[in-house]
Amino acid sequence: EPEVTQTPSHQVTQMGQEVILRCVPISNHLYFYWYRQILGQKVEFLVSFYNNEISEKSEIFDDQFSVERPDGSNFTLKIRSTKLEDSAMYFCASSGGTSGRGRTVNEQFFGPGTRLTVL
Amino acid sequence: QKEVEQDPGPLSVPEGAIVSLNCTYSNSAFQYFMWYRQYSRKGPELLMYTYSSGNKEDGRFTAQVDKSSKYISLFIRDSQPSDSATYLCASNTGGFKTIFGAGTRLFVKA
Repeated sequence: EPEVTQTPSHQVTQMGQEVILRCVPISNHLYFYWYRQILGQKVEFLVSFYNNEISEKSEIFDDQFSVERPDGSNFTLKIRSTKLEDSAMYFCASSGGTSGRGRTVNEQFFGPGTRLTVL
Repeated sequence: QKEVEQDPGPLSVPEGAIVSLNCTYSNSAFQYFMWYRQYSRKGPELLMYTYSSGNKEDGRFTAQVDKSSKYISLFIRDSQPSDSATYLCASNTGGFKTIFGAGTRLFVKA
């Protein structure tokens, strides 16, 4: 069954450094998302992306964050200057396919996550 | 007031029991309701997806939404030790932003 994949599984970085988290959404999906989950806390929406542009973003998604779909398969989240409080699990999700799993926008399928540790 | 509230548990039940997991929400505009299962340090896995009020059944799982009371439930029949996980309820208005509850930790004892 098609799945969302994410790389790397764990990223360690120094405060102030830039990181890029990568995701490969389910192939026929049209909507892409990033969420984060700080350890012990709830999953929080960061941003959604459709038709090569941001469709919605939360107040967490400030100027230090950006998203890109550089080619037909990858979806990336860049954090320009990481802070200690950016340490969290980052989940990519996708939905809105023409067939199969996640045919509606609201049936969002999540990847396994990237654990980001900022030192 | 939090948009989606969920008792964090933990909830511990014997194998074979019927499990009832519940959430309340405050936003009347929520139209879509989801239940996710999350194992430790893994991504949320979509279990059930419902639109508006009513029931939906899938195998051992039944999701119930009562919009009049803003109450969301998930029932698990014949619970198994492999059902031990954190269960997240989630809602959205039909847009892209999905709001999650904090999750209920479930332990099913063999």
